[in-house]
Amino acid sequence: KAGVTQTPRYLIKTRGQQVTLSCSPISGHRSVSWYQQTPGQGLQFLFEYFSETQRNKGNFPGRFSGRQFSNSRSEMNVSTLELGDSALYLCASSLGQGNSPLHFGNGTRLTVT
Amino acid sequence: GESVGLHLPTLSVQEGDNSIINCAYSNSASDYFIWYKQESGKGPQFIIDIRSNMDKRQGQRVTVLLNKTVKHLSLQIAATQPGDSAVYFCADYTGTASKLTFGTGTRLQVTL
Repeated sequence: KAGVTQTPRYLIKTRGQQVTLSCSPISGHRSVSWYQQTPGQGLQFLFEYFSETQRNKGNFPGRFSGRQFSNSRSEMNVSTLELGDSALYLCASSLGQGNSPLHFGNGTRLTVT
Repeated sequence: GESVGLHLPTLSVQEGDNSIINCAYSNSASDYFIWYKQESGKGPQFIIDIRSNMDKRQGQRVTVLLNKTVKHLSLQIAATQPGDSAVYFCADYTGTASKLTFGTGTRLQVTL
């Protein structure tokens, strides 16, 4: 079974621009979560989608948004990029019911200049 | 707020020895715990999980111990190999929150 796929792997953007990251979950997984990983803050939860609905949201500004499609694929968008948004953005999928582990993709490395 | 922390940022062990990575969590409502391994350039990889109604679970060369009394979690790796070199994260999950809270990570270095 194919794992979680994230595209693109690397992105370089300029302050003020916006960016869209894509995630394809493991087949059959209905929950997709997004995490931001930085050396200073570690892994921080952004949001989770389940059956196209945002089920939970972390403590990030409204510039960070996401959505999930009917095929469970998900996108996250960051508008008005800031230098501090430079990070590894990780997507994880799970069955989303009960205690099921999250399976992560290899992330998108975003650099804001 | 709730947090999951690790006692040691770096652990160095000799090949063939056993490794023990510790983790403290603060949310007494956490009911599910996961250990992840992250290699350079990759996302976290699931290693093993444990539910709060258990105190021990074994996998292939790995054992997770859970002490709910002191809110402590540990990962034991038997016969550590060079391929085990990575950063290890513990994470806890509260069913109602539907999100994982990650620890800061421990870097495991395996020396030959």
